[in-house]
Parts: sequence; structure tokens; C-alpha cells
Amino acid sequence: AQSVTQPDIHITVSEGASLELRCNYSYGATPYLFWYVQSPGQGLQLLLKYFSGDTLVQGIKGFEAEFKRSQSSFNLRKPSVHWSDAAEYFCAVYFNKFYFGSGTKLNVKP
Amino acid sequence: GAGVSQSPRYKVAKRGQDVALRCDPISGHVSLFWYQQALGQGPEFLTYFQNEAQLDKSGLPSDRFFAERPEGSVSTLKIQRTQQEDSAVYLCASSRVGTRGFNEQFFGPGTRLTVL
Repeated sequence: AQSVTQPDIHITVSEGASLELRCNYSYGATPYLFWYVQSPGQGLQLLLKYFSGDTLVQGIKGFEAEFKRSQSSFNLRKPSVHWSDAAEYFCAVYFNKFYFGSGTKLNVKP
Repeated sequence: GAGVSQSPRYKVAKRGQDVALRCDPISGHVSLFWYQQALGQGPEFLTYFQNEAQLDKSGLPSDRFFAERPEGSVSTLKIQRTQQEDSAVYLCASSRVGTRGFNEQFFGPGTRLTVL
């Protein structure tokens, strides 16, 4: 069965520091991969997606993610975090339907 | 409309009551999805509509859950005889094309259901 693992439940970083959120998936082929962000009281917003091709994908708000087949990972990165990035981040795999990870809550220290 | 809207935003029900949750997708969107998001978890797929046809209801947790989209636009998720384990945020999403959401899904803000 397909599954998505986000091993970090909470992460705190200082404003201006770099960020990496981890995502591992269990799937028998190259999946379609997504990162979503959820702010309090808001719906999920798509940050970026990977279907094929270049394994480094760029998204909105300065985020990027790298697909590594050998590690079954699709980690999200940002070089310099802003206070407004504080939210919950979900990794997702698509196979006939979406399978979401349990999320990582990001806190940003001033 | 500008985005997906859901109502009510918050619902408190006594155990055993029936509830109805409404989703207004983006105008013209063919696909509509319902998800259940328990506290501290990611969204879990409940059901999928392409226009008025319910093509996948494999995620509905029990026969107490029922969804409809009679005219291919607004959808209602109904939960009968609510139980405490039904407490969650119910998310609706819509997608422009009818390919089970392979294209970008646009999510609503959700309805937070609390069953006492």
C-alpha cells in the first residue's frame, strides 16, 4: 500500500535560517509527489509538484524540493525562512487518489 | 466564486445527531473531493465526484457517511448518527478537469466537526 512518512512532527528554525522538511514515500514506481502548506484556518495550498524530468523542482514562495529515487525521498527546502512561513506542511503522493503524510508543523523564531 | 467555500466552518453535534456539510467548488470545476483530517494527521480521502457521478467512495469509513452532488456543482457530505470518532476537519477540494485530481486540487478551508 502507498504511504507517506514525514518523520518530523515539529520543527523550529530561526528567521533567515535554512529549512529542510523530510518526506519519504512507499510506492512501487515513480510516484507523483506534492508538497502542500496549510495555515491556520486556511485550506491546503499547493507549493510544488513533481511528475517527471528534472528531479529538482521549484515552487512558490521560494520553496524547492528534490526527488531522490534511491532514497524514496522528496524533501522540501528553503534557503532563508521568513516568519510568514510558519504553518503546517504536508507531503503527498498521488496514485489514483492522494495519500498525505501526517504533516510537519513549522515554527519560526524571530 | 474566487475559491472553494465550505459551510458551516464549525459544527458541534451531540452524539447520535445527523449533520450535513456543504461544499461550493470553484465554478466550472469538474472534479470534487472530500477528505477527513483528524487532529494531528494529514487529510484522508473519503470520496470523489466527476460532475454528478460519484466515481469513488472507497474512503467513506462507514455506511453512516453519505455524499451527493446532484447537479454537478455543490456537494453535501452527510453523517448520520454521529459518533465521537467522527470529530475531525472535513475538507473539500475541486479540480478543473475530470482526471481524479491529477491536476491541481484547490482546497476549501474545511468544516471542523466536534461530536460531544
